[in-house]
Amino acid sequence: DAGVTQSPTHLIKTRGQHVTLRCSPISGHKSVSWYQQVLGQGPQFIFQYYEKEERGRGNFPDRFSARQFPNYSSELNVNALLLGDSALYLCASSLTGGLTEAFFGQGTRLTVV
Amino acid sequence: GQQLNQSPQSMFIQEGEDVSMNCTSSSIFNTWLWYKQDPGEGPVLLIALYKAGELTSNGRLTAQFGITRKDSFLNISASIPSDVGIYFCAGRDESGGSNYKLTFGKGTLLTVNP
Repeated sequence: DAGVTQSPTHLIKTRGQHVTLRCSPISGHKSVSWYQQVLGQGPQFIFQYYEKEERGRGNFPDRFSARQFPNYSSELNVNALLLGDSALYLCASSLTGGLTEAFFGQGTRLTVV
Repeated sequence: GQQLNQSPQSMFIQEGEDVSMNCTSSSIFNTWLWYKQDPGEGPVLLIALYKAGELTSNGRLTAQFGITRKDSFLNISASIPSDVGIYFCAGRDESGGSNYKLTFGKGTLLTVNP
């Protein structure tokens, strides 16, 4: 069975640009969460979606947005990129997102120059 | 953002030695999780703990959910070279409708010398 898949695996963008990251959850999982992991730190929660609805949002600016599609895949969008947005962006899927455990993808390494 | 206090930050040990690491929080968590992350990969779930005082094993790994619900411990026995990686604790607070997010520690970098 395929695990959580994220694309692209690596990305280089210029300050001020926009980026879209994509995630396909494990088959049967209806919830997707996004985390940002800066080098040397643990992952920080950005968003969780369940059944296409946003269930939670972390302490990130409005430049960060996301959505979930009817097939439960998800996109994370970041506008007006800053150097500090350089990080590994992780997607995690879970059955329902509540008390069911999350399984992470390999991440998208975003570098902003 | 909020993070858990995880220690030690790094460990360098000989193959065959046992390893202990811990995580503390100023607030209570209902669930404690331990993940391992290899370079270029996402975190992989090792052990999940759901009750205060719970002691759970997964092969050579043993983790405990502290009685106060503010801490957790992970032990690795008889370490082997493939144990190398970064170990993260994560807590989930299920009160007040916030059960959707995990709060992570900064990680413990484990190096095993063959």
